[in-house]
Amino acid sequence: DADVTQTPRNRITKTGKRIMLECSQTKGHDRMYWYRQDPGLGLRLIYYSFDVKDINKGEISDGYSVSRQAQAKFSLSLESAIPNQTALYFCATSDPGTGSGYTFGSGTRLTVV
Amino acid sequence: GQQLNQSPQSMFIQEGEDVSMNCTSSSIFNTWLWYKQEPGEGPVLLIALYKAGELTSNGRLTAQFGITRKDSFLNISASIPSDVGIYFCAGRPNTNAGKSTFGDGTTLTVKP
Repeated sequence: DADVTQTPRNRITKTGKRIMLECSQTKGHDRMYWYRQDPGLGLRLIYYSFDVKDINKGEISDGYSVSRQAQAKFSLSLESAIPNQTALYFCATSDPGTGSGYTFGSGTRLTVV
Repeated sequence: GQQLNQSPQSMFIQEGEDVSMNCTSSSIFNTWLWYKQEPGEGPVLLIALYKAGELTSNGRLTAQFGITRKDSFLNISASIPSDVGIYFCAGRPNTNAGKSTFGDGTTLTVKP
């Protein structure tokens, strides 16, 4: 099994619909992140969580919400999807103790029509 | 917020050539990281740098942490077709060590 699993891998949804993207990790890390990738724009941070009771907004949190259900699970919701939220979404974890980089999931490709 | 300028945006090279890319920041980072993303996958960490002036290699890849702590470089020697992908730099500031700021990526194409 992958260290960081994202579901679904692909999703097409209609404008105005609520959608949830799920992420689970087996690394045992406290820190989890949601990033969005658009062509030519790199990775932009949506939300992050340093432990189960900690939730923080990133640079582009408007239109999104998150839930940290457990150490291993961090879900991202679009309350009312709009076409400019069409993007590739990545979940990641990190271990602050080692100072190492992120372990990313394989991504969810979301299309809002 | 902090901004990273990564260049070049894309590169088209012949197999066997060497590649250089870099990132610059307007502010200081205490950690620089380089990732590679292949189609359909998330980025994978290639090299992490923790000290100004540090030079670290991973096979044909070599990365350097600039002495000003505002830049970093990645070199790939003797490129091969499987080097194709998007390469991202990322920096971590002195405050709040958890979050990383990413560059916009360098898309590398290697012609056999």
